[in-house]
Amino acid sequence: SQTIHQWPATLVQPVGSPLSLECTVEGTSNPNLYWYRQAAGRGLQLLFYSVGIGQISSEVPQNLSASRPQDRQFILSSKKLLLSDSGFYLCAWARLTNEKLFFGSGTQLSVL
Amino acid sequence: GQQVMQIPQYQHVQEGEDFTTYCNSSTTLSNIQWYKQRPGGHPVFLIQLVKSGEVKKQKRLTFQFGEAKKNSSLHITATQTTDVGTYFCAGPSSNTGKLIFGQGTTLQVKP
Repeated sequence: SQTIHQWPATLVQPVGSPLSLECTVEGTSNPNLYWYRQAAGRGLQLLFYSVGIGQISSEVPQNLSASRPQDRQFILSSKKLLLSDSGFYLCAWARLTNEKLFFGSGTQLSVL
Repeated sequence: GQQVMQIPQYQHVQEGEDFTTYCNSSTTLSNIQWYKQRPGGHPVFLIQLVKSGEVKKQKRLTFQFGEAKKNSSLHITATQTTDVGTYFCAGPSSNTGKLIFGQGTTLQVKP
């Protein structure tokens, strides 16, 4: 069966520090991968998605970047965090575009 | 751009009361998906509707896809405290196919 792992679960970082969140998927190949951000009590904002190794599409201009160095690995990064980067970050995968999403357990990021 | 809107944003009910959340898209959707996010958790896929006018049931949950495939609803009969959470609808973008999520309806159930 397929599983998705996302870590860390919580992270507190000072403003201006770098960020690296990692997500891996097991039990499937060539998944579509997604990074979402959820502000407290709000909906899901799509940040990046990838349909293959090295292929990244950005949905909104921001202080973050994403990379997909391996088929089932998706990384969210920042060189210098801003206060506004705080939020709940969710990785997700799907077999195909517009099919159901399977979400990781999320990372609660607090930038202080 | 294409939008998916949900109402209400919040709903407080007494345990045993019914609950309904509504989802409206600015464009026709090829399918509609529903997710549930428990407090502190991550969204979990509930169901997908594809056909015009489709109705699906999961125990006390009834999902409906409108005839025009632009709206959907989730109805919970006799809510329980385990129903607490945020319910999201999502539909594929007509341009990119990527899912566009509604803002969600947060349900609180008083025991």
